[in-house]
Amino acid sequence: AQSVTQLGSHVSVSEGALVLLRCNYSSSVPPYLFWYVQYPNQGLQLLLKYTSAATLVKGINGFEAEFKKSETSFHLTKPSAHMSDAAEYFCAVSEGQGAQKLVFGQGTRLTINP
Amino acid sequence: DTAVSQTPKYLVTQMGNDKSIKCEQNLGHDTMYWYKQDSKKFLKIMFSYNNKELIINETVPNRFSPKSPDKAHLNLHINSLELGDSAVYFCASSARLAGVTDTQYFGPGTRLTVL
Repeated sequence: AQSVTQLGSHVSVSEGALVLLRCNYSSSVPPYLFWYVQYPNQGLQLLLKYTSAATLVKGINGFEAEFKKSETSFHLTKPSAHMSDAAEYFCAVSEGQGAQKLVFGQGTRLTINP
Repeated sequence: DTAVSQTPKYLVTQMGNDKSIKCEQNLGHDTMYWYKQDSKKFLKIMFSYNNKELIINETVPNRFSPKSPDKAHLNLHINSLELGDSAVYFCASSARLAGVTDTQYFGPGTRLTVL
């Protein structure tokens, strides 16, 4: 069965600093990978997804992620953090073809310090 | 122009009661889902319906019964509510593109509190 591990349940960075949220996955088949963001008291919003095309994926709000098969990783980055980036971030892998059955990591809470 | 909507947003009820949460999507998707997010923010899929047919049924107590009257709606009925059912429940939907399930879009969530 597929699984996702997000390293660090809480990450804190200064405004303007690099954001790096780590995600490692386990999958016996080529995975589909996703990053979602959840703002307080809201639903999940898709940031970006990897579906076996380009390994460097660009998403919304200046985020991007790189699929590294050799490291089974899909880390999320943003060059310069903004206060509005404070939220919970979830990495997810799909079981089977497509995004039918998502398995989520435990989430990483990102805090931005002024 | 809400894509995936859920009602109610908040639900507070007593143990032993029966309650329903409704979900509607106006995206024209044919697959819908229910997820449970616990107090530690862990998200886990409960059910998935494709064109009103149940296709994913995780290990969920049979007190939980999804119902899909049409492909735009997926409701969740919970019987005999227990304290452990307190969570945020998210509905989601997705389309199928070239035979592959595409991105899931989530609703705003329903926070259920069982007293």
